[in-house]
Amino acid sequence: QVQLQESGPGLVKPSQTLSLTCTVSGGSISSGSYYWSWIRQPAGKGLEWIGRIYPSGSTNYNPSLKSRVTISMDTSQNQFSLNLNSVTAADTAVYYCARDVWGYRDGYFYYMDVWGTGTTVTVSS
Amino acid sequence: QSVLTQPPSVSAAPGQKVTISCSGSSPNVGNNYVSWYQHLPGTAPKLLIYDNNKRPSGVPDRFSGSKSGTSATLGITGLQTGDEADYYCGTWDSSLSAGVFGGGTTLTVL
Repeated sequence: QVQLQESGPGLVKPSQTLSLTCTVSGGSISSGSYYWSWIRQPAGKGLEWIGRIYPSGSTNYNPSLKSRVTISMDTSQNQFSLNLNSVTAADTAVYYCARDVWGYRDGYFYYMDVWGTGTTVTVSS
Repeated sequence: QSVLTQPPSVSAAPGQKVTISCSGSSPNVGNNYVSWYQHLPGTAPKLLIYDNNKRPSGVPDRFSGSKSGTSATLGITGLQTGDEADYYCGTWDSSLSAGVFGGGTTLTVL
């Protein structure tokens, strides 16, 4: 049973970098069958896809966040990470990591089948 | 502003049926498969439907999904108070090369 757990500071100052780690247990992050994603939910708002990484290092990012986001992977620790720089109060949210299933048949199929429990990050001075 | 459009809220009585719509466009819903998630406050979102209409193991057959053109629909029959949650549709957007979600729909079981 694969499980994901987010960790990182709960409070980040404006203009600084938000850094979170997702630790994967019960399975290898480098298996090659899955992508690994970050999603967030600001208070009172819906889910927002941030980006994802494949074991090869290939990444995709939300165009609206692309200039500030970096997602990386540490296969030796079975972890992947999110860095979001130049944060503002608008980046205050619950951040989730998730496992992606993605591919193409007669259209792209894409879904997150395993999620972490989420971690709250507040941007405030 | 979400790429996919959902009604903000729906409601129905226990035992009844409800549908939640998800409207998109050609690069996303129109040409790719849709998934649905149930999200209760304070918990991790849960995959309910994938590939438009498939249910993961453990998801009751009261939940169903369908797609036609650039719109998808989640159906829930035999409503229970435990179904009260936020529901999100999601898919891949081929133009953005990114995952996209709907704005979410809050289900109230009256």
